Amino acid sequence: DVKVTQSSRYLVKRTGEKVFLECVQDMDHENMFWYRQDPGLGLRLIYFSYDVKMKEKGDIPEGYSVSREKKERFSLILESASTNQTSMYLCASSLFYRETVEQYFGPGTRLTVT
Amino acid sequence: AQSVTQPDIHITVSEGASLELRCNYSYGATPYLFWYVQSPGQGLQLLLKYFSGDTLVQGIKGFEAEFKRSQSSFNLRKPSVHWSDAAEYFCAVGASAAGNKLTFGGGTRVLVKP
Repeated sequence: DVKVTQSSRYLVKRTGEKVFLECVQDMDHENMFWYRQDPGLGLRLIYFSYDVKMKEKGDIPEGYSVSREKKERFSLILESASTNQTSMYLCASSLFYRETVEQYFGPGTRLTVT
Repeated sequence: AQSVTQPDIHITVSEGASLELRCNYSYGATPYLFWYVQSPGQGLQLLLKYFSGDTLVQGIKGFEAEFKRSQSSFNLRKPSVHWSDAAEYFCAVGASAAGNKLTFGGGTRVLVKP
């Protein structure tokens, strides 16, 4: 079974702090994704990566950056956290870049910025 | 760009009754369609997917979905709901040209009455 793990289930940070969310997948997947989930809005793509050191902006990249130094690990960085970034953050991975296949999700990190 | 609409935000159903969740998509070519389920406090789990072929797709947990191109729909059904089906359900659409990105609907929360 594919396993996607996220470093924290719950996180509370203060406004202006730099926040790191970590995601690890154990199945050698090419693609990794970061989404935020808000009630009524579903999942919105922040960034995705299709290879080490490669990244593309999703639909809502403002205020976020990402890092992928190893194939299995994809980090989401909030450079200066703000209250409007309070949300559930979900990481996902999928096997191939050039083929649409299902994504596998981690359990999520619920981030509260106060 | 593709989009997904789930018209029902909440649905309440009695245990043992049938369930149908609606999903409408917008995409110019043949879409790749997915249904995911998110139980409380969990990540998303794939229920079923449609890529091509038979338009009636069987998934896990007794769910099925039917692709209707003429109606741009991919509705999810279950003949007899169990209390454990209480969750949030997300429809998603992908496109082969999109680098494996998925677009999610806003979700439908299902409440099961005893």
